[in-house]
Amino acid sequence: DTGVSQDPRHKITKRGQNVTFRCDPISEHNRLYWYRQTLGQGPEFLTYFQNEAQLEKSRLLSDRFSAERPKGSFSTLEIQRTEQGDSAMYLCASSLLRASREKLFFGSGTQLSVL
Amino acid sequence: DAKTTQPNSMESNEEEPVHLPCNHSTISGTDYIHWYRQLPSQGPEYVIHGLTSNVNNRMASLAIAEDRKSSTLILHRATLRDAAVYYCILRTLSSNTGKLIFGQGTTLQVKP
Repeated sequence: DTGVSQDPRHKITKRGQNVTFRCDPISEHNRLYWYRQTLGQGPEFLTYFQNEAQLEKSRLLSDRFSAERPKGSFSTLEIQRTEQGDSAMYLCASSLLRASREKLFFGSGTQLSVL
Repeated sequence: DAKTTQPNSMESNEEEPVHLPCNHSTISGTDYIHWYRQLPSQGPEYVIHGLTSNVNNRMASLAIAEDRKSSTLILHRATLRDAAVYYCILRTLSSNTGKLIFGQGTTLQVKP
């Protein structure tokens, strides 16, 4: 079963450093989503791609955050000049566009700790 | 997006049925009701979804009120592995984005 894969699972960094996370979606899925989740809260939408096009970005996504999905396959999420408030679980999900039947499949996330 | 209201937490005994409620009084005619759950240290996973009629699958059943202003996720026999946060989410069919807007969900504890 090749589900959604995220790498790394854990990342500890110092404030001010840049970090990059990778997400490998399920192979035939054309949509890819990034979410952020802090302790005790539900996941918050950050951005999503349809194929290689980034179609929506949340206002939560400051200019220090950038996401790419070259060639419509894997995606990367980069955070520049990390801040302690960036500490969270970063979740990736993918789906196959099917109108009402569209289901999101989530990875296990990357836990970021900014010291 | 129309909002949902769920209890913060619920408890159940193992092997007993669990009814998880969700209120969505401002639901529109094109909103589907989706349920996802999140097990500890994992990403959310799809459980079930429906529009008007009750739905069943291998994981759960979804009972939708006739006026669609509320719904109930039913786990027929809770197991310890069902302990998770359950999210009830409305999703508009006409929306051109597949994104889900999560609330805080209901934390289900299952006691042996």
